[in-house]
Amino acid sequence: AQRVTQPEKLLSVFKGAPVELKCNYSYSGSPELFWYVQYSRQRLQLLLRHISRESIKGFTADLNKGETSFHLKKPFAQEEDSAMYYCALSDSNTGGFKTIFGAGTRLFVKA
Amino acid sequence: DAGITQSPRHKVTETGTPVTLRCHQTENHRYMYWYRQDPGHGLRLIHYSYGVKDTDKGEVSDGYSVSRSKTEDFLLTLESATSSQTSVYFCAISPGPQSGNEKLFFGSGTQLSVL
Repeated sequence: AQRVTQPEKLLSVFKGAPVELKCNYSYSGSPELFWYVQYSRQRLQLLLRHISRESIKGFTADLNKGETSFHLKKPFAQEEDSAMYYCALSDSNTGGFKTIFGAGTRLFVKA
Repeated sequence: DAGITQSPRHKVTETGTPVTLRCHQTENHRYMYWYRQDPGHGLRLIHYSYGVKDTDKGEVSDGYSVSRSKTEDFLLTLESATSSQTSVYFCAISPGPQSGNEKLFFGSGTQLSVL
């Protein structure tokens, strides 16, 4: 079954420290993976998707098919990065098209 | 923000009563979704639609039904609300893979409390 696992519910780092939010997935086929972010009092929004290989707000994520991982990284965390982060996988295998989310990781960046 | 409106924004109801949440879009996107957000569970898909009158179940569809009679509207109904359905409900839309865009756009959410 398709699944997205984010093992950390909460991650707390100091400003300027590196950040890595972990995401593992299970999917039969070639996955389309995403990171979504929810800042306080804002709508959930797309941060980045693996296929575009973009770096958004200093964040990057590399798809590792061997380890079935899509970890989100940033070399120097900023206080404004504090938010809820969701890893997601789009599933087109079973007909239709739907996106499955992990349980989320709350990132707290301390001054 | 993409043109997505959820109504109501907040709802308090009693156990056993029917509740309908509405999602309205002005983007003419093919796909529409209802998710619920709960601590420790993240976002879980309830139902989704891939066209007018075309819907399918998600991960947690029990106790919920949906309808899509127009492209722009997707209704979520709790036939007989239970306390376990207390949650924040999000609507999302997407052009879909056929349009080369699998990105989801989210509404502001509906906070539902079932007492």
